[in-house]
Amino acid sequence: QKEVEQDPGPLSVPEGAIVSLNCTYSNSAFQYFMWYRQYSRKGPELLMYTYSSGNKEDGRFTAQVDKSSKYISLFIRDSQPSDSATYLCAMSDRGSTLGRLYFGRGTQLTVWP
Amino acid sequence: GAVVSQHPSWVICKSGTSVKIECRSLDFQATTMFWYRQFPKQSLMLMATSNEGSKATYEQGVEKDKFLINHASLTLSTLTVTSAHPEDSSFYICSARVAGADTQYFGPGTRLTVL
Repeated sequence: QKEVEQDPGPLSVPEGAIVSLNCTYSNSAFQYFMWYRQYSRKGPELLMYTYSSGNKEDGRFTAQVDKSSKYISLFIRDSQPSDSATYLCAMSDRGSTLGRLYFGRGTQLTVWP
Repeated sequence: GAVVSQHPSWVICKSGTSVKIECRSLDFQATTMFWYRQFPKQSLMLMATSNEGSKATYEQGVEKDKFLINHASLTLSTLTVTSAHPEDSSFYICSARVAGADTQYFGPGTRLTVL
């Protein structure tokens, strides 16, 4: 079993839709959770970073963490064609001195006009 | 802030040659840098972790003699693919981490094609 599971999609939605992206994990030691956005042939860009259960909002993006269920989500409101990209969840065990991130496979999102 | 650059952005080389990829943190000091490899429609695969001034730690299955990593300063790490072969063709991405932080900032990646 992989430590981080993420449905690769693809996910296709119309402009303006609310998008929900999810990851589950098995390691209860993970305490830090991140969402990265990666456009084709580019490096990942940090979108959201959280270290506690609950919601964190930044503009049209909301990150949600449920540590009891080992489940994290990213919601995108009023989705735009420019949001079309691959979204990667990542998480970290604070105890790791190397600061290693564990990534999901990424979900490919297409927002059509 | 937190900008990471990579050079070159793409490279094509003949089989058997060596290729060096540079990763720089432009506006912060990176005590730790990571090197990843990514195949099409796949997630990032961690190859190695390097701390400034010490030897890199390689992930299982990654040949340290083939993928040479040097982290000579707090702003520069290099990955050298030695005696490259077509199966080494991939997208190589570096990331950098500030001391004490758990987030990593990624470079734009380098596409390597070995003919």
